[in-house]
Amino acid sequence: AQSVTQLDSQVPVFEEAPVELRCNYSSSVSVYLFWYVQYPNQGLQLLLKYLSGSTLVESINGFEAEFNKSQTSFHLRKPSVHISDTAEYFCAVSANDMRFGAGTRLTVKP
Amino acid sequence: DAGVIQSPRHEVTEMGQEVTLRCKPISGHDYLFWYRQTMMRGLELLIYFNNNVPIDDSGMPEDRFSAKMPNASFSTLKIQPSEPRDSAVYFCASSFRRREQFFGPGTRLTVL
Repeated sequence: AQSVTQLDSQVPVFEEAPVELRCNYSSSVSVYLFWYVQYPNQGLQLLLKYLSGSTLVESINGFEAEFNKSQTSFHLRKPSVHISDTAEYFCAVSANDMRFGAGTRLTVKP
Repeated sequence: DAGVIQSPRHEVTEMGQEVTLRCKPISGHDYLFWYRQTMMRGLELLIYFNNNVPIDDSGMPEDRFSAKMPNASFSTLKIQPSEPRDSAVYFCASSFRRREQFFGPGTRLTVL
């Protein structure tokens, strides 16, 4: 079975600074990869996904993630964060079944 | 499409009572998932179905929990009897062929 590791449980960052949320996975078969965002008191929303094709995928609000097969990683990045990006972010992998990471709480400070 | 629909949105009950949570997945999706989320334990997969058949229920905490999917458009998660430690937000999600999951708004359960 596959697994997902989010390496940081909390990431504090100042507004307009760059951020990287790290995600590593393990799987013996090909995978689909996802990032979800959860704002306070809300459900999880899909942020971006890698199914096939270009290894760099982008979201509509400036986040991007790159599928790195050799390093089995799918890190999430944003060059300049906003206060409104404060949320919990979950990495997920789908292969034989679907697994979520433990989540990274991103806190953007003014 | 209205997305994944869950009811009720909030449930407050007393210990020992039966609780039934309901979910309507997105039409055409063939996978349905039930999750529980708490501050202490994070997001936990309880059970998932494929084409209405339970595939993996290894996350169901104990025999007090049961889930059914009688048809492609409806699923229930039942807790009987409920206990205070069952207090959590319960999410239902659905997907098509193991691709991205679409989550419902959740049911916030409080067991007194």
